[in-house]
Amino acid sequence: QKEVEQNSGPLSVPEGAIASLNCTYSDRGSQSFFWYRQYSGKSPELIMSIYSNGDKEDGRFTAQLNKASQYVSLLIRDSQPSDSATYLCAVNRFGNQFYFGTGTSLTVIP
Amino acid sequence: ETGVTQSPTHLIKTRGQQVTLRCSSQSGHNTVSWYQQALGQGPQFIFQYYREEENGRGNFPPRFSGLQFPNYSSELNVNALELDDSALYLCASSFWGTGQETQYFGPGTRLLVL
Repeated sequence: QKEVEQNSGPLSVPEGAIASLNCTYSDRGSQSFFWYRQYSGKSPELIMSIYSNGDKEDGRFTAQLNKASQYVSLLIRDSQPSDSATYLCAVNRFGNQFYFGTGTSLTVIP
Repeated sequence: ETGVTQSPTHLIKTRGQQVTLRCSSQSGHNTVSWYQQALGQGPQFIFQYYREEENGRGNFPPRFSGLQFPNYSSELNVNALELDDSALYLCASSFWGTGQETQYFGPGTRLLVL
């Protein structure tokens, strides 16, 4: 079983819609959770971090964490073509090692 | 921009050669982590350096080694290069000590092994 699992996609949504990205993790001891965005040929860019159960909102982005279900999600409201990228979920277990999923490819159609 | 820099941006080597990649961490950060990202995959943790010592290692062979310098910059060395070492190598800097460590990535070094 992989440490972090994501649907690889591709996920396509029309411009202005809500994009929903999901991630599950295997270790209940995981402490910190992150979403990174990666454009093709570029390095990952931090979008959100979340540490406790519930929702965390930052602009058009909302991260949701459910530790009981070992589930993290990212909602992107009012999706824009510039949001088209691969979204990586990362989990921090021991404070020094981040585990990444394989990423979900998102395309926002104008 | 994260303030994390890496050099070189691209590199071509042949099998069996050795390579050194460099990373300068963001101001105020004391920890550097290295990742390997193969095409279509997520970053894989190689190791982390804190206070000039290795502070955790992923599932990579000993021919992957590193250093951290007093100014918190770091090097990744790979010996006896193999074709499968072709990947994007990412350096991430962070501040160790808050309990909520967040890693910020540099632009990466793309290595091609022929």
